[in-house]
Amino acid sequence: AQRVTQPEKLLSVFKGAPVELKCNYSYSGSPELFWYVQYSRQRLQLLLRHISRESIKGFTADLNKGETSFHLKKPFAQEEDSAMYYCALRGNTPLVFGKGTRLSVIA
Amino acid sequence: GAVVSQHPSWVICKSGTSVKIECRSLDFQATTMFWYRQFPKQSLMLMATSNEGSKATYEQGVEKDKFLINHASLTLSTLTVTSAHPEDSSFYICSARDNPYNEQFFGPGTRLTVL
Repeated sequence: AQRVTQPEKLLSVFKGAPVELKCNYSYSGSPELFWYVQYSRQRLQLLLRHISRESIKGFTADLNKGETSFHLKKPFAQEEDSAMYYCALRGNTPLVFGKGTRLSVIA
Repeated sequence: GAVVSQHPSWVICKSGTSVKIECRSLDFQATTMFWYRQFPKQSLMLMATSNEGSKATYEQGVEKDKFLINHASLTLSTLTVTSAHPEDSSFYICSARDNPYNEQFFGPGTRLTVL
């Protein structure tokens, strides 16, 4: 079975502080992992996917198969990063989402 | 990126009536469309997957006869909530992609309130 766990419902950090949003997954095969972001009153949009290995808006995420994790990181949080972040997994079925973490960046 | 639209953006209906929600891919051919449901402050739960021209595949626990999905063209899928009840009130989000290796694009969602 596919499962995505985001242990934190809410994460509050000060502007300029580092951010790490945790994501762990459960899947027996080789999954594809994604991070989606939903800004206030906007639709869900893709932030990054592990196969791209790119940095978007200063965010990076590395797939750690040993720890079955795909944590999202940014060295210096900005106020505009405040949003809902969802980790998602695609194995042999459609995207399965974690419960999401609300990031609040405090000025 | 590609655009997915939904109509209406919100709808209020009386208990017992049926409501149809449309999902369109505006600039690509959506071979596969997905319907999700999102309760307040909760994650997106996949309801069903539909491939153009085929019957939808429903997730466990989702009633096929209650949530009718039609994907008759490569740019349009509809979700009809039949005999709606207050517990069906939720945020319904559609998503579409053109092939299994590409990104899924999401619509803005439709808020359904059943009185």
